[in-house]
Formats: sequence, structure tokens, C-alpha cells
Amino acid sequence: ETGVTQTPRHLVMGMTNKKSLKCEQHLGHNAMYWYKQSAKKPLELMFVYNFKEQTENNSVPSRFSPECPNSSHLFLHLHTLQPEDSALYLCASSQKVDSQHEQFFGPGTRLTVL
Amino acid sequence: AQSVTQLDSHVSVSEGTPVLLRCNYSSSYSPSLFWYVQHPNKGLQLLLKYTSAATLVKGINGFEAEFKKSETSFHLTKPSAHMSDAAEYFCVVRYTGTASKLTFGTGTRLQVTL
Repeated sequence: ETGVTQTPRHLVMGMTNKKSLKCEQHLGHNAMYWYKQSAKKPLELMFVYNFKEQTENNSVPSRFSPECPNSSHLFLHLHTLQPEDSALYLCASSQKVDSQHEQFFGPGTRLTVL
Repeated sequence: AQSVTQLDSHVSVSEGTPVLLRCNYSSSYSPSLFWYVQHPNKGLQLLLKYTSAATLVKGINGFEAEFKKSETSFHLTKPSAHMSDAAEYFCVVRYTGTASKLTFGTGTRLQVTL
């Protein structure tokens, strides 16, 4: 167990649905991240939160809306997604946002958009 | 542009034989380098990391990697493969001045046969 949990593990949704992905870390970390893992492509960093504040948004479409109510929880709200958004969404956390601290990853949510 | 290249998308070895997974990165001053492993339906787990200390880095499960600045390489090796090593392996680079941004390779799938 990595200490980072994600729910649900699998999600199928239509393009008009609204759903949310949840991530929780039990490691006492202060930084949390959302990544997208698509087939045949490198992992893409989507968002970074440091002490609940968003510090990075890598040009992610507005149909993805992150929320970080506290340092232990991170959400990704989804609405009007496209089929090309189908991917594995990985959450990660680290003690700090710097080069000395490794990121710990959750198992991911496998998202399928119909 | 900053990049990392994993030269093989798929590597197959027999159990008990050596493993070599290749990784090259674009040159930069003092990069941090990591290898992560992803087993099916699991999150990414850190195998080892290089952060400008010893150039030969030992990780978990018998893996090690050598940082070669002259070749801009960080190849992952293991003397003897085990069936449980079958997974996807990602070479990851963090460049100076990009504290939160990890640049991932496209991954190498390691198959271990009897």
C-alpha cells in the first residue's frame, strides 16, 4: 500500500455526465498532483497543489476542475468530457514541491468516456 | 526542449538473465533522475533516484542504475530477472528550476519468461 488512495478505481461516464475523482494521502504530505496517463504517451502533469494552493496548471481544459480542500484530499471534478479524455488518472503526493522529495503515487482511476 | 527517451518500448528476458532498460535524457545542469515501476492495476512505485550524489545508484528489488553524464544516460540494470519483475518501467527526469515538474519517458514494458 503506497499511502495514497484513489476512488473510484474505474469509472465509465457519458459526455454529458458530471463526476468526481477523489484522492487521499495518509502520509502527511503538503503537495499533491494530478497526472493523466494515456496509452502510448508519457505521463502528463495536470495540476499541482502546495499547501492547498494551486501552483501549476499545465494548460488543462476547463472541463477538468481540481479542488484541494486540505493537504490530505484532492479532487478532480469532471464535466462534459470527450472520448479522448479516456485515460488513467493518477494522483501523487510529496512532502514538499521541490527536487529532493519523491512523489508517491496512487493506483489511479481508469476513466472511460463514452 | 527538455526530454527523456526510453529506447525500447518492450524488452523480453528469460528468468535468471540480466535486465537492461535504457534511458537517455536531454543534457542539462544537475538533473535529478528517477526510475519508477508500474505493475498492472497499481500506481507507480519509486525504484531508485539520482540527485547528484554517487553516480551508481542502488534501488529496491536488486535494481541499480548508473548516471553517465558524458553519455547523458541513466540505464536501469538487474543481474538476474525474476518473474515478479514483469511490469512497466518509467525513466523520469526533473530538471533544475522545475521543482514540481517531472518529465516522464514513454515507458518500457519488461516481460520475463521461464
